[in-house]
Amino acid sequence: NAGVTQTPKFQVLKTGQSMTLQCAQDMNHEYMSWYRQDPGMGLRLIHYSVGAGITDQGEVPNGYNVSRSTTEDFPLRLLSAAPSQTSVYFCASGTGMMETQYFGPGTRLLVL
Amino acid sequence: AQSVTQLGSHVSVSEGALVLLRCNYSSSVPPYLFWYVQYPNQGLQLLLKYTTGATLVKGINGFEAEFKKSETSFHLTKPSAHMSDAAEYFCAVSDRGYSTLTFGKGTMLLVSP
Repeated sequence: NAGVTQTPKFQVLKTGQSMTLQCAQDMNHEYMSWYRQDPGMGLRLIHYSVGAGITDQGEVPNGYNVSRSTTEDFPLRLLSAAPSQTSVYFCASGTGMMETQYFGPGTRLLVL
Repeated sequence: AQSVTQLGSHVSVSEGALVLLRCNYSSSVPPYLFWYVQYPNQGLQLLLKYTTGATLVKGINGFEAEFKKSETSFHLTKPSAHMSDAAEYFCAVSDRGYSTLTFGKGTMLLVSP
């Protein structure tokens, strides 16, 4: 049981480039979410999904897209990276939002 | 939207001393409340949660928290700090009709020998 996995661990992008952050879980959880963590800001919700085919926006969705074609995977796409998107990104999953959320190890993104 | 205030971005204690991390929240409906811990270079893991029922909640590693509705608080305590407790702690409250969580900005706990 690998839990929640995220790839890559670290990425450097130039302004305007696009990329996809991968997130996968093998616990058959319906609920998945993406957060960004910035110093002194805590965790802020970007997008979340309550099941395959269903996604919704969180607190800071601008500049990010998501889709959920399978229960296991929930990729986060940056269409045109900006320096303001430099952050640590965490994916989490759970049987429901009010249940225990299991977090991945994070992806550190630097946008130059 | 709900909000969470964690008083003190950093709290320092000596090993063996009482740990008290403060969390106040705002919520227009009965809240679900959580404490998560983050060790360096890792993701978050759940310490404890309050949903309904008993207002004193016990979690892992000897931590507990008490839900006080009249004070809109959910402070985290541990009677005796251990060096391994050094980490960042996040309080979170349910939001949007229990479909999302709003996190506080975190409190870094420093434990000295």
